[in-house]
Amino acid sequence: ETGVTQSPTHLIKTRGQQVTLRCSSQSGHNTVSWYQQALGQGPQFIFQYYREEENGRGNFPPRFSGLQFPNYSSELNVNALELDDSALYLCASSLRLAGGNEQFFGPGTRLTVL
Amino acid sequence: AQSVTQPDIHITVSEGASLELRCNYSYGATPYLFWYVQSPGQGLQLLLKYFSGDTLVQGIKGFEAEFKRSQSSFNLRKPSVHWSDAAEYFCAVAPTDSWGKFQFGAGTQVVVTP
Repeated sequence: ETGVTQSPTHLIKTRGQQVTLRCSSQSGHNTVSWYQQALGQGPQFIFQYYREEENGRGNFPPRFSGLQFPNYSSELNVNALELDDSALYLCASSLRLAGGNEQFFGPGTRLTVL
Repeated sequence: AQSVTQPDIHITVSEGASLELRCNYSYGATPYLFWYVQSPGQGLQLLLKYFSGDTLVQGIKGFEAEFKRSQSSFNLRKPSVHWSDAAEYFCAVAPTDSWGKFQFGAGTQVVVTP
C-alpha cells in the first residue's frame, strides 16, 4: 500500500509568483485535505476536496485554490505569493465513511517566498 | 468559538522519566480527538485517536491518552520516555459531522535529556 506522497519537497519562489503543489492520496482514499503549517505553529486547515468538489474551506483567501482529479490526486495552487505564504504545506488523505475520519499525512512541501 | 489548547509550549524531560502532554478543547459536542507527532522536517504521524467508547486509548510507541469529557481534555502520556521521543506533538480535533477538517493545537516541543 502506497502512502501519501507530495511534490516537490522544497520550493523557492518570489513575491507575486504563482505556485502549484501536488499530492497523491493513499490508495483507496477519496478525500484530500490541505493544511498550511507556518514555522513554530500547528497546521491550519486550508480546504478539502471530496469526489473532485471542494468540501469545506478554512480562513484562507481565494488566491488559494485547489483541484482533485479522478484518480484522487490533488493540487494546491497559490497565486500572487506573499512572504507570509512561506510554510510547510501538508496534504492529508482519508476514506470518507461513517464512524470516524482518520487522516494520513504526507511529508509536506516546504515553500519559501523571497 | 471552537478552540484547541496545548498549554505547554515546551517540555524538557529526562530519559526514562514519565511524560504527560496536555490538550484541552472547546467544542459544541465531543469531537473526534487525535494526537500526532512531528519530527524535524517531517510530516505528521498519528500516535492515537479517540472516536468513542473506552476513554483510555492505547497508541503506538508506548503512548496512551485519556479522554475526560467533564474536563474537555485529551491528555497524552508515556510512562518512560526514550531519547527518540524528542519531537513536536500536536493535539487535533475534528467535528464528528466533518470529514478531515482538523483543528490543531499550537504544539508542544518535547526535549529529552540524558
